[in-house]
Amino acid sequence: DQQVKQNSPSLSVQEGRISILNCDYTNSMFDYFLWYKKYPAEGPTFLISISSIKDKNEDGRFTVFLNKSAKHLSLHIVPSQPGDSAVYFCAASSLYGGATNKLIFGTGTLLAVQP
Amino acid sequence: SQTIHQWPATLVQPVGSPLSLECTVEGTSNPNLYWYRQAAGRGLQLLFYSVGIGQISSEVPQNLSASRPQDRQFILSSKKLLLSDSGFYLCAWSVRRAYNEQFFGPGTRLTVL
Repeated sequence: DQQVKQNSPSLSVQEGRISILNCDYTNSMFDYFLWYKKYPAEGPTFLISISSIKDKNEDGRFTVFLNKSAKHLSLHIVPSQPGDSAVYFCAASSLYGGATNKLIFGTGTLLAVQP
Repeated sequence: SQTIHQWPATLVQPVGSPLSLECTVEGTSNPNLYWYRQAAGRGLQLLFYSVGIGQISSEVPQNLSASRPQDRQFILSSKKLLLSDSGFYLCAWSVRRAYNEQFFGPGTRLTVL
């Protein structure tokens, strides 16, 4: 049972345009969400997070939007740059996980930013 | 600052051989530690996590095991590798609180032949 889903395995965007990566979740107990970026043969790096008490969080070119009623979040990258080309994972956790701070990851979306 | 190390970076092992992957964290105390596997074309699957020395929780049944002999050391082991154990293994740490990001190591590429 995939609790966190990224239905688009890949996305191609022109440099300078907006990249929108989507993520859906099924567990209504999830209340904290994160995005990670991963280059091949490297560990993922943390990008941005959002708590369920917010519907938007922004950090430079990266903005995460959360729609709790739809159980959907998205990551917007504006403007997209060739160095943004990587696999993006969304992840979710719940306060009920307590101090374990366990994350449930989606399957990832490969973003290719074309120069 | 905190640093997480994993070794080896790559490993090629025959089916039926043992496995030992090591992860160490520097610059923090009492971290949560995690082992993940990323199979080809798949997402990140949590294998084990630990909230303290000797405390291991397994997420999926498999022929792998984990141990935490010291506060900042996490080891992934197998007595006999299977072909299906091939993948990219990642260690991660976090502070021992909810609502915190996890920080990942560089990973180990394991190929079982």
